[in-house]
Order: sequence, then structure tokens, then C-alpha cells
Amino acid sequence: AQSVTQLDSHVSVSEGTPVLLRCNYSSSYSPSLFWYVQHPNKGLQLLLKYTSAATLVKGINGFEAEFKKSETSFHLTKPSAHMSDAAEYFCVVSDHSVDSNYQLIWGAGTKLIIKP
Amino acid sequence: DAGVIQSPRHEVTEMGQEVTLRCKPISGHDYLFWYRQTMMRGLELLIYFNNNVPIDDSGMPEDRFSAKMPNASFSTLKIQPSEPRDSAVYFCASSLRGVGYEQYFGPGTRLTVT
Repeated sequence: AQSVTQLDSHVSVSEGTPVLLRCNYSSSYSPSLFWYVQHPNKGLQLLLKYTSAATLVKGINGFEAEFKKSETSFHLTKPSAHMSDAAEYFCVVSDHSVDSNYQLIWGAGTKLIIKP
Repeated sequence: DAGVIQSPRHEVTEMGQEVTLRCKPISGHDYLFWYRQTMMRGLELLIYFNNNVPIDDSGMPEDRFSAKMPNASFSTLKIQPSEPRDSAVYFCASSLRGVGYEQYFGPGTRLTVT
């Protein structure tokens, strides 16, 4: 069965330091993977997506994620955190297996806190 | 494009009243989704439509909830009668390609039932 685990419910970093938000997944076949961001009192916005092309995916606002099949991971990173990055981030997996309907499985979310 | 539009942005109502939430998807997107987000349960998919037809409503909590999509540019989510436990943020999202692909979310409607 598909699942997605965001390993940290909260991550706190200082402004200007690197960001790492961890995501592990399980999937029967080759998955598509997404990161969404939700700023306080806002809707969800697509940050980036992996759909079996390049394993290193670049997204908006300087974020990127690397698909590692051997580790079943899709961690989100950014070299230097900015105050405006404070938000909740969701890792999402989609399974395209033949014998199951397409569906999106949402992680529980990671709240990113940026310290001045 | 204006993105997904939802109205109202905030709704406060009393228990027992009917509530109608509205959504306009991105033009050309054939898939429309309704989600509910709460602190306790996170983000839950309630129902989705393809070409105005409801495909999967297994996430609808109970018969008090109903959703319609009379045309490609408009959908409603109705709660009748509303209860305090329905208080949540309700999101509408649309997608060009389908359930397993990227979705574009509206700003949400924050519903408070007193």
C-alpha cells in the first residue's frame, strides 16, 4: 500500500542556514512525488514535482528535492532559509500502478520555523 | 489566469443552518476536488469530479454533506444541517490531468459553526 511519512512535525532553523525537510514514501510502482507549501491562513501551493524525469527537481523560491529510489526518499532542501519560508510543507505521493486507481496520499505536514 | 476562486472566504453560522460553499476552477481543468482541513485530521479529500461528474465521494463524512457541479466552471459544497464539528477550512482544487497529478488550490473557506 502507498504511504508517505514526513519524519519531522516541526523543523526550526535560523535565517540564512540550510533547510532540510524529510519525506519517505512507499509505492508499488514508479511514483510521482510532490511538495506543497501552505503559508499561514493561505491555500496550498505546488512547490515542485517529480514525475520520473531528472531525479533532482528544482522548484519555486529556491527549493529543490532529490528523488532517491534506493532510499525511498524525496527530501526537500534549500541552501539558505528566508523568513518568508516559514510555513507548513506537505509531501505527497501519487501511485500510477495498473491495478489501483490513481490517488494522492498526503503526508501529515512539517511546520518550518525560521528564527531571526 | 485568476486561479481557483472560492467564496465566501469566511463563514460563521449557527448549528442547524444550511451552508453553501462555492468554487470556480481554473478554466480548462477537468478535475475538481473538495478538501477539508482541520488540526485534528489534517487534509481530507471529500469528493472529486471529472468533467462535472462525481467520481469518488467516499470521503464525504455523512449525508449532511452534498456536492454538485452543474457546469465546468462552478461547483458547490453544501452542509445541511451544519454542526459545530463541521468547523474547518474547506479547500477547492482543480487539476488539468487528473487525480494523481498536480492540483491547484483555492484560498479556502474558513467555516465556523457555533
